Amino acid sequence: DTGVSQNPRHKITKRGQNVTFRCDPISEHNRLYWYRQTLGQGPEFLTYFQNEAQLEKSRLLSDRFSAERPKGSFSTLEIQRTEQGDSAMYLCASTRGRRTGEAFFGQGTRLTVV
Amino acid sequence: AQTVTQSQPEMSVQEAETVTLSCTYDTSENNYYLFWYKQPPSRQMILVIRQEAYKQQNATENRFSVNFQKAAKSFSLKISDSQLGDTAMYFCAFAGWDTGNQFYFGTGTSLTVIP
Repeated sequence: DTGVSQNPRHKITKRGQNVTFRCDPISEHNRLYWYRQTLGQGPEFLTYFQNEAQLEKSRLLSDRFSAERPKGSFSTLEIQRTEQGDSAMYLCASTRGRRTGEAFFGQGTRLTVV
Repeated sequence: AQTVTQSQPEMSVQEAETVTLSCTYDTSENNYYLFWYKQPPSRQMILVIRQEAYKQQNATENRFSVNFQKAAKSFSLKISDSQLGDTAMYFCAFAGWDTGNQFYFGTGTSLTVIP
Protein backbone atom coordinates (compact mmCIF):
# COMPACT_ATOMS: atom_id res chain seq x y z
CA ASP A 1 0.00 0.00 0.00
CA THR A 2 1.73 3.14 -1.20
CA GLY A 3 -0.97 5.62 -0.32
CA VAL A 4 -2.60 8.10 -2.67
CA SER A 5 -0.39 8.99 -5.59
CA GLN A 6 -0.72 12.07 -7.80
CA ASN A 7 1.08 12.93 -11.00
CA PRO A 8 2.61 15.18 -12.01
CA ARG A 9 3.75 16.94 -8.85
CA HIS A 10 4.21 20.20 -10.66
CA LYS A 11 2.85 21.54 -13.93
CA ILE A 12 3.58 24.84 -15.60
CA THR A 13 1.46 25.66 -18.59
CA LYS A 14 0.66 28.59 -20.79
CA ARG A 15 -2.72 30.19 -20.59
CA GLY A 16 -5.13 28.56 -22.98
CA GLN A 17 -3.49 25.15 -22.92
CA ASN A 18 -5.15 21.98 -21.66
CA VAL A 19 -3.73 20.03 -18.74
CA THR A 20 -4.53 16.65 -17.23
CA PHE A 21 -3.72 15.36 -13.78
CA ARG A 22 -3.84 11.82 -12.54
CA CYS A 23 -4.69 10.38 -9.14
CA ASP A 24 -4.21 6.78 -8.02
CA PRO A 25 -6.14 6.18 -4.80
CA ILE A 26 -5.49 3.53 -2.19
CA SER A 27 -6.52 0.31 -3.86
CA GLU A 28 -9.44 -0.71 -1.65
CA HIS A 29 -10.89 2.78 -1.43
CA ASN A 30 -14.06 3.27 -3.46
CA ARG A 31 -14.48 7.00 -2.86
CA LEU A 32 -12.24 9.49 -4.55
CA TYR A 33 -12.28 13.25 -4.09
CA TRP A 34 -10.72 16.18 -5.90
CA TYR A 35 -9.99 19.38 -4.03
CA ARG A 36 -8.39 22.66 -4.97
CA GLN A 37 -6.23 24.62 -2.58
CA THR A 38 -4.99 28.15 -3.13
CA LEU A 39 -2.31 29.85 -1.09
CA GLY A 40 -3.42 30.57 2.44
CA GLN A 41 -6.71 28.75 2.06
CA GLY A 42 -8.08 25.40 3.04
CA PRO A 43 -8.94 22.79 0.42
CA GLU A 44 -12.14 23.46 -1.51
CA PHE A 45 -14.24 20.59 -2.77
CA LEU A 46 -14.43 20.10 -6.53
CA THR A 47 -15.97 16.69 -7.12
CA TYR A 48 -16.13 13.14 -5.89
CA PHE A 49 -16.60 9.62 -7.24
CA GLN A 50 -18.15 6.55 -5.74
CA ASN A 51 -16.43 3.82 -7.72
CA GLU A 52 -16.73 4.99 -11.35
CA ALA A 53 -19.76 7.23 -10.81
CA GLN A 54 -19.24 10.95 -10.42
CA LEU A 55 -21.88 11.77 -7.84
CA GLU A 56 -21.34 15.38 -6.99
CA LYS A 57 -19.71 18.43 -8.53
CA SER A 58 -19.07 21.77 -6.92
CA ARG A 59 -20.13 24.97 -8.61
CA LEU A 60 -16.39 25.71 -8.60
CA LEU A 61 -16.09 23.10 -11.32
CA SER A 62 -16.72 25.13 -14.44
CA ASP A 63 -17.38 23.70 -17.89
CA ARG A 64 -13.66 23.77 -18.55
CA PHE A 65 -13.10 21.15 -15.88
CA SER A 66 -13.85 17.48 -16.37
CA ALA A 67 -13.06 14.49 -14.21
CA GLU A 68 -13.24 10.79 -14.89
CA ARG A 69 -12.68 7.61 -13.02
CA PRO A 70 -12.86 4.74 -15.47
CA LYS A 71 -13.43 1.34 -13.88
CA GLY A 72 -13.41 2.88 -10.46
CA SER A 73 -9.66 2.88 -10.19
CA PHE A 74 -7.48 5.90 -10.99
CA SER A 75 -8.99 9.27 -11.78
CA THR A 76 -8.07 12.10 -14.11
CA LEU A 77 -8.87 15.78 -13.83
CA GLU A 78 -8.63 17.78 -17.02
CA ILE A 79 -8.69 21.55 -17.31
CA GLN A 80 -9.28 22.95 -20.77
CA ARG A 81 -8.26 26.41 -21.89
CA THR A 82 -6.45 27.12 -18.66
CA GLU A 83 -6.66 30.56 -17.09
CA GLN A 84 -4.36 32.22 -14.60
CA GLY A 85 -7.03 31.83 -11.96
CA ASP A 86 -6.67 28.07 -12.27
CA SER A 87 -3.25 28.25 -10.66
CA ALA A 88 -3.54 26.26 -7.45
CA MET A 89 -2.69 22.99 -5.76
CA TYR A 90 -5.01 20.21 -6.86
CA LEU A 91 -5.43 17.57 -4.19
CA CYS A 92 -6.81 14.08 -4.50
CA ALA A 93 -8.10 12.09 -1.55
CA SER A 94 -9.69 8.71 -1.08
CA THR A 95 -11.74 6.91 1.55
CA ARG A 96 -13.11 3.41 1.91
CA GLY A 97 -16.63 4.72 1.68
CA ARG A 98 -19.23 6.70 3.48
CA ARG A 99 -18.99 7.10 7.23
CA THR A 100 -15.58 5.55 7.33
CA GLY A 101 -13.80 8.50 8.78
CA GLU A 102 -10.65 10.03 7.50
CA ALA A 103 -9.67 10.86 3.97
CA PHE A 104 -6.18 10.01 2.80
CA PHE A 105 -4.57 12.68 0.69
CA GLY A 106 -2.03 12.61 -2.07
CA GLN A 107 0.82 15.09 -2.30
CA GLY A 108 -1.05 17.19 -4.81
CA THR A 109 -0.33 18.64 -8.22
CA ARG A 110 0.75 22.25 -8.21
CA LEU A 111 -0.46 24.00 -11.35
CA THR A 112 1.00 27.29 -12.47
CA VAL A 113 -0.61 29.01 -15.43
CA VAL A 114 1.60 31.65 -17.02
CA ALA B 1 -24.48 24.15 4.49
CA GLN B 2 -21.59 23.20 6.67
CA THR B 3 -18.95 25.77 7.58
CA VAL B 4 -15.70 25.46 9.48
CA THR B 5 -14.02 28.49 10.99
CA GLN B 6 -10.46 28.81 12.20
CA SER B 7 -9.93 32.27 13.63
CA GLN B 8 -6.18 32.05 14.22
CA PRO B 9 -4.29 32.45 10.93
CA GLU B 10 -0.89 32.16 12.62
CA MET B 11 0.40 30.95 15.93
CA SER B 12 3.76 30.24 17.47
CA VAL B 13 4.91 28.24 20.45
CA GLN B 14 8.19 27.56 22.17
CA GLU B 15 9.56 24.09 21.84
CA ALA B 16 8.30 21.80 24.64
CA GLU B 17 5.45 24.15 25.46
CA THR B 18 1.72 23.58 24.92
CA VAL B 19 -0.42 25.30 22.32
CA THR B 20 -4.13 25.21 21.53
CA LEU B 21 -5.61 25.76 18.09
CA SER B 22 -9.25 26.80 17.84
CA CYS B 23 -11.97 25.64 15.49
CA THR B 24 -15.69 26.21 15.36
CA TYR B 25 -18.17 24.74 12.93
CA ASP B 26 -21.77 25.05 11.96
CA THR B 27 -24.04 22.18 11.03
CA SER B 28 -27.56 20.96 11.47
CA GLU B 29 -26.48 17.31 11.46
CA ASN B 30 -26.32 15.26 14.62
CA ASN B 31 -23.82 12.65 13.49
CA TYR B 32 -20.52 13.62 11.97
CA TYR B 33 -16.77 13.42 12.14
CA LEU B 34 -14.35 16.18 13.00
CA PHE B 35 -10.70 16.07 12.06
CA TRP B 36 -7.47 17.93 12.46
CA TYR B 37 -5.14 17.59 9.52
CA LYS B 38 -1.52 18.68 9.40
CA GLN B 39 0.11 19.96 6.21
CA PRO B 40 3.87 20.50 6.53
CA PRO B 41 5.50 22.83 4.00
CA SER B 42 5.47 21.24 0.54
CA ARG B 43 4.27 17.94 1.94
CA GLN B 44 1.01 16.09 1.88
CA MET B 45 -1.82 16.48 4.31
CA ILE B 46 -1.94 13.88 7.03
CA LEU B 47 -4.46 13.15 9.72
CA VAL B 48 -3.56 14.22 13.23
CA ILE B 49 -6.66 13.24 15.13
CA ARG B 50 -10.35 12.59 14.58
CA GLN B 51 -13.46 12.72 16.72
CA GLU B 52 -16.82 11.06 16.19
CA ALA B 53 -19.59 13.39 17.29
CA TYR B 54 -21.50 10.64 19.11
CA LYS B 55 -18.56 10.03 21.42
CA GLN B 56 -18.51 12.19 24.50
CA GLN B 57 -14.93 11.34 25.34
CA ASN B 58 -12.36 13.62 23.79
CA ALA B 59 -9.96 11.93 21.40
CA THR B 60 -6.26 11.76 22.20
CA GLU B 61 -3.27 10.68 20.12
CA ASN B 62 -0.02 10.82 22.03
CA ARG B 63 0.81 14.54 22.38
CA PHE B 64 -2.34 15.62 20.58
CA SER B 65 -5.75 15.94 22.18
CA VAL B 66 -8.99 17.69 21.40
CA ASN B 67 -11.58 19.56 23.38
CA PHE B 68 -14.86 18.74 21.69
CA GLN B 69 -17.82 20.79 22.82
CA LYS B 70 -20.75 19.59 20.74
CA ALA B 71 -23.32 22.05 22.01
CA ALA B 72 -20.98 24.96 21.40
CA LYS B 73 -19.83 23.45 18.07
CA SER B 74 -16.26 23.88 19.11
CA PHE B 75 -13.35 21.57 18.38
CA SER B 76 -9.94 22.74 19.56
CA LEU B 77 -6.62 20.94 19.23
CA LYS B 78 -4.07 20.90 22.02
CA ILE B 79 -0.49 20.04 21.23
CA SER B 80 1.60 19.22 24.27
CA ASP B 81 5.40 19.18 24.44
CA SER B 82 5.61 20.92 21.06
CA GLN B 83 8.36 19.71 18.75
CA LEU B 84 10.04 21.38 15.79
CA GLY B 85 8.40 18.83 13.52
CA ASP B 86 5.00 20.15 14.53
CA THR B 87 5.63 23.25 12.44
CA ALA B 88 2.94 23.11 9.74
CA MET B 89 -0.44 24.34 8.61
CA TYR B 90 -3.23 22.78 10.62
CA PHE B 91 -6.67 22.40 9.13
CA CYS B 92 -9.85 21.62 10.98
CA ALA B 93 -12.31 19.60 8.91
CA PHE B 94 -15.89 18.34 9.13
CA ALA B 95 -17.60 15.39 7.44
CA GLY B 96 -21.27 14.73 8.01
CA TRP B 97 -22.74 11.25 8.15
CA ASP B 98 -25.80 12.27 6.21
CA THR B 99 -24.06 14.61 3.83
CA GLY B 100 -20.86 12.63 3.83
CA ASN B 101 -20.07 13.47 0.28
CA GLN B 102 -17.32 15.88 1.04
CA PHE B 103 -15.04 17.14 3.73
CA TYR B 104 -15.34 20.79 4.69
CA PHE B 105 -12.14 22.53 5.70
CA GLY B 106 -11.30 25.67 7.60
CA THR B 107 -8.81 28.20 6.31
CA GLY B 108 -6.03 26.79 8.44
CA THR B 109 -3.70 27.90 11.21
CA SER B 110 -0.01 28.22 10.50
CA LEU B 111 1.87 26.96 13.54
CA THR B 112 5.54 27.67 14.08
CA VAL B 113 7.47 25.93 16.82
CA ILE B 114 10.35 28.09 17.98
CA PRO B 115 13.53 26.39 19.15
